[in-house]
Amino acid sequence: EAGVAQSPRYKIIEKRQSVAFWCNPISGHATLYWYQQILGQGPKLLIQFQNNGVVDDSQLPKDRFSAERLKGVDSTLKIQPAKLEDSAVYLCASSRDRGSEKLFFGSGTQLSVL
Amino acid sequence: GENVEQHPSTLSVQEGDSAVIKCTYSDSASNYFPWYKQELGKRPQLIIDIRSNVGEKKDQRIAVTLNKTAKHFSLHITETQPEDSAVYFCAVPPSGYSTLTFGKGTMLLVSP
Repeated sequence: EAGVAQSPRYKIIEKRQSVAFWCNPISGHATLYWYQQILGQGPKLLIQFQNNGVVDDSQLPKDRFSAERLKGVDSTLKIQPAKLEDSAVYLCASSRDRGSEKLFFGSGTQLSVL
Repeated sequence: GENVEQHPSTLSVQEGDSAVIKCTYSDSASNYFPWYKQELGKRPQLIIDIRSNVGEKKDQRIAVTLNKTAKHFSLHITETQPEDSAVYFCAVPPSGYSTLTFGKGTMLLVSP
C-alpha cells in the first residue's frame, strides 16, 4: 500500500513569512496527525483529526498555526507568521481509526526559518 | 499530561553486543507501549509494541519488556549490527487519548 505522502520535503523561509505543508494519508485511514519534531527531540503532537473533525489541538499555537482536513482525506498545516523557533521537521502520520494506536509516518517537511 | 522519560540519551556499543533502552511513564492507566526507530533523515517507524496484558514480547533480535507496577518498559536489542544505528523513541498514549506522547529519544551507535 502507498505510504503517507508529504510535500514539500524542504522549505526555507524568513521569519514573519507564511508557509504551508501538505499531507495525504494512507488510503482509508480515518485519523490524521501533525507532529512537530525539533532537532534532538521526540515528535510533539500539534493536532489530531478524525475524518474532517478536530479531536485534539491542545498543543497547537493557534495564534500562528492552523490546520484543516476539509474532506476528511488530505490535510494542510499552515504557519503565519513564522518564527525562528518554528524551525523543525513537520511530520504527518495516519492511523486506521482513533482506536488504532499504530501510526504510519510520512517523510516529513524540514522547515528552516531564517 | 503524560510524562515520558527515556534513558540513556545516547548509547554506543560494539557490533554483536546487546543494547537496552529504558522508558518510564507517569500514567498508570496507560495500556499500550510502542517503540519507534528513526534512521537519520528518515521517518519514524514502529519496530515493536506491547500491551499491558503481557510482560514481554520478542521479534527476532528485538524484545520489549514491561513492568506495569514500576511504570517502565524497555527495548532490548541483541547481537547488534551497524544497521541498528538510529534514534529510538518510546511512546505512551495517555489514558483516554488515542494520541502518543513520545520520549526524547536514544541515539544508538553500533560500531563495527
